[in-house]
Amino acid sequence: DTGVSQDPRHKITKRGQNVTFRCDPISEHNRLYWYRQTLGQGPEFLTYFQNEAQLEKSRLLSDRFSAERPKGSFSTLEIQRTEQGDSAMYLCASSPFGTSGGANTGELFFGEGSRLTVL
Amino acid sequence: GQQLNQSPQSMFIQEGEDVSMNCTSSSIFNTWLWYKQEPGEGPVLLIALYKAGELTSNGRLTAQFGITRKDSFLNISASIPSDVGIYFCAGPFNQAGTALIFGKGTTLSVSS
Repeated sequence: DTGVSQDPRHKITKRGQNVTFRCDPISEHNRLYWYRQTLGQGPEFLTYFQNEAQLEKSRLLSDRFSAERPKGSFSTLEIQRTEQGDSAMYLCASSPFGTSGGANTGELFFGEGSRLTVL
Repeated sequence: GQQLNQSPQSMFIQEGEDVSMNCTSSSIFNTWLWYKQEPGEGPVLLIALYKAGELTSNGRLTAQFGITRKDSFLNISASIPSDVGIYFCAGPFNQAGTALIFGKGTTLSVSS
């Protein structure tokens, strides 16, 4: 399978614990995005990387959240001191730079998501 | 902040019927995208629109980029059970076009 891969698919944790999610993008894609989705809502942008550089972060990304993409390939999203409000689906997406229509077309390829439940 | 309003919120239709849904924005977009999400999956891109007035088809799906650049429409013809899912409109909300804002989605149910 050459799509975007996320791990774990499901995570149940207790409030206050730290969790880490991993995303492996499509191999030739140099842009990687993290989104959060809660029930009944569309995905909300958290952050994005171009290669290893984190170029934009949403205000939703509090200081308890940190994302890395150390070698410009896979990425991790860590949530420290989880709260019940962090319960959501965390979606990773990737895209190639310079697709048709221009470099910034929003044509994202999403993974299946990592569902977090904080008790 | 920017918002995307999708209508209707949900639809219950019979197999074979045509479906129309729309999305409006509080500001102008240069790109409109339509995604579909099925249970337990991530969204999948259906159609991307880049020019005001553009009409683009993908099989039984047709989407239009509104002339005002503040709206877009998605039509599904002759619906089938596998069309079930949540349909999201999206557009880039930052100047670089690298971050998308999504609507809340239209949930489609198809009975056979």
